Amino acid sequence: GAVVSQHPSWVICKSGTSVKIECRSLDFQATTMFWYRQFPKQSLMLMATSNEGSKATYEQGVEKDKFLINHASLTLSTLTVTSAHPEDSSFYICSASLGGTGYTFGSGTRLTVV
Amino acid sequence: RKEVEQDPGPFNVPEGATVAFNCTYSNSASQSFFWYRQDCRKEPKLLMSVYSSGNEDGRFTAQLNRASQYISLLIRDSKLSDSATYLCVVILRDQAGTALIFGKGTTLSVSS
Repeated sequence: GAVVSQHPSWVICKSGTSVKIECRSLDFQATTMFWYRQFPKQSLMLMATSNEGSKATYEQGVEKDKFLINHASLTLSTLTVTSAHPEDSSFYICSASLGGTGYTFGSGTRLTVV
Repeated sequence: RKEVEQDPGPFNVPEGATVAFNCTYSNSASQSFFWYRQDCRKEPKLLMSVYSSGNEDGRFTAQLNRASQYISLLIRDSKLSDSATYLCVVILRDQAGTALIFGKGTTLSVSS
């Protein structure tokens, strides 16, 4: 089946540093990738929608300069958390459309900022 | 984006029980509906799509009521392995684009 490979699975970083999270579609082309964040015991909240070759669309309240999204190819989308702070600690997960048959998710990245 | 609401539970049921979850959505522009299952600290996995005509997959039955804007999931003969959080997901397509909107999830705990 269609697989999205997400890396890293977990990362611990110091405040002020930047962290890049990658999502690759392994056996299909992902024109659109969705990026979500999930705090403990909360729902997945859509952060932004990235389309290959164009600028990402950010949800209200999500700082585009802090969460940089790049979708330079049909198989790779990246989310960079810049100048990370402890409040950015969360579970980040990407999702790609399977063209009408549902959506497939990456395995998620647990970010801890200390 | 408008909300998708679920009863968070937890629902604690014995093995073999039948349990039902409901989910309501507020945006009538919602076009597609799914139930996902999420195990602790794991990514959500698609359980089943939801159609107005209803659909069944083994012990799981999903139903959509567009007029009342709710969807349901029925699990029969619960197994220990059914313990998880069940997420109601709505695909919304509007002038802002396409997005998956998740409910907060309903936690099910099946005990022996």
